[in-house]
Amino acid sequence: SQQGEEDPQALSIQEGENATMNCSYKTSINNLQWYRQNSGRGLVHLILIRSNEREKHSGRLRVTLDTSKKSSSLLITASRAADTASYFCATARSGNTPLVFGKGTRLSVIA
Amino acid sequence: DGGITQSPKYLFRKEGQNVTLSCEQNLNHDAMYWYRQDPGQGLRLIYYSQIVNDFQKGDIAEGYSVSREKKESFPLTVTSAQKNPTAFYLCASSIDRDGGVEQYFGPGTRLTVT
Repeated sequence: SQQGEEDPQALSIQEGENATMNCSYKTSINNLQWYRQNSGRGLVHLILIRSNEREKHSGRLRVTLDTSKKSSSLLITASRAADTASYFCATARSGNTPLVFGKGTRLSVIA
Repeated sequence: DGGITQSPKYLFRKEGQNVTLSCEQNLNHDAMYWYRQDPGQGLRLIYYSQIVNDFQKGDIAEGYSVSREKKESFPLTVTSAQKNPTAFYLCASSIDRDGGVEQYFGPGTRLTVT
């Protein structure tokens, strides 16, 4: 079952703008992760945030987690054309259970 | 050069034939996974294995089978019982990091059954 739901389904922005994607989930989690997928390729892990964390940064990525609202957001600052991809959130109920993926947000960054 | 390899990249089969998709990793990861992805959709878990000689069904295991005889290998067989086998298949392995399981994905195999 797909627990995460990303919003929006698709997002188109100009290069240099910030991109924000949201993820909502249904049950309690141990951690939430964001992955990126270029067209026709495998997924690449971007960042993991644990349930007791509220915000995490990695380069131009900023992830927030609100467990009371069961939601997370991924912010990509100063976007580049190379950021064009699909972005998926994935949740884990415990530390070693399989991840459950959402349907993803398709981001297009126009140069 | 460590990583996960899946072969072939594209696979074509006739309806009614079984087909086996290869997945190999040299990352020394214990756990491995198979997902299916349909156009515009997320990933759905088919099977996973947390240790050699053991595996569990995921959300959509019907019509699929796996084996885990070696730590490095987790082949997936798509049987003729799978009603809609045409899809993009992704294999992954995982390592515990930062208190959670981080997955590493292969490049995928696109299976077309006609």
